[in-house]
Amino acid sequence: DVVMTQTPVSMSVSLGGQVSISCRSSQSLVHNNGNTYLSWYIQKPSQSPQLLIYKVSNRFSGISDRFSGSGSGTDFTLKISRVEPDDLGVYYCGQGTQYPYTFGAGTKLELK
Amino acid sequence: AVQLVESGGGLVQPKESLKISCAASGFTFSNAAMYWVRQAPGKGLEWVARIRTKPNNYATYYADSVKGRFTISRDDSKSMVYLQMDNLKTEDTAMYYCTAASTTVATPFAYWGQGTLVTVSS
Repeated sequence: DVVMTQTPVSMSVSLGGQVSISCRSSQSLVHNNGNTYLSWYIQKPSQSPQLLIYKVSNRFSGISDRFSGSGSGTDFTLKISRVEPDDLGVYYCGQGTQYPYTFGAGTKLELK
Repeated sequence: AVQLVESGGGLVQPKESLKISCAASGFTFSNAAMYWVRQAPGKGLEWVARIRTKPNNYATYYADSVKGRFTISRDDSKSMVYLQMDNLKTEDTAMYYCTAASTTVATPFAYWGQGTLVTVSS
């Protein structure tokens, strides 16, 4: 199975600040079709997860340009700029390249 | 707008069965792969099952932890997806989310329901 390792486990940020979350996979996430199915999700308190970024760097419909994704192969990063109160929650990376699909353990973003 | 509404969760005893459902709307259901993802209390996300579309023969895939016990199915005429859970174990206790792929950007887990809670306990 592909193991997704997220760091840090939690982080504190000031409103208006910037954060980076790392996600590393134990195997390359490049699919046979050439796509890299690495996504980022946010789960706000008491809500279901929602898709932020798909295929490494593409913002999903309605997602602010304050969110950006980058990386390749096995090493990926989510950056959030100008943090707002609504950004707080748990962030997960997930891979849809190989079965079983797997997720990172999550990074909790809290206010400093 | 895309809507996924799960139902059917509840309290069951170990070794019992339960079938949960998901009603989809707001997109062309028959064109979208569908998934179940679960989250144990206070834990992270775990993919459970996937069902593809008719052109892909409704192929199904399962996590090892549920293979042989869970069955995912769909009814395109009703825009419904189901998860039949047999021989339930206490470790199956979780919130179960129905999720849909996006057909426009070809990515899994694009849309999520609010979840239905399954509790397995004696």
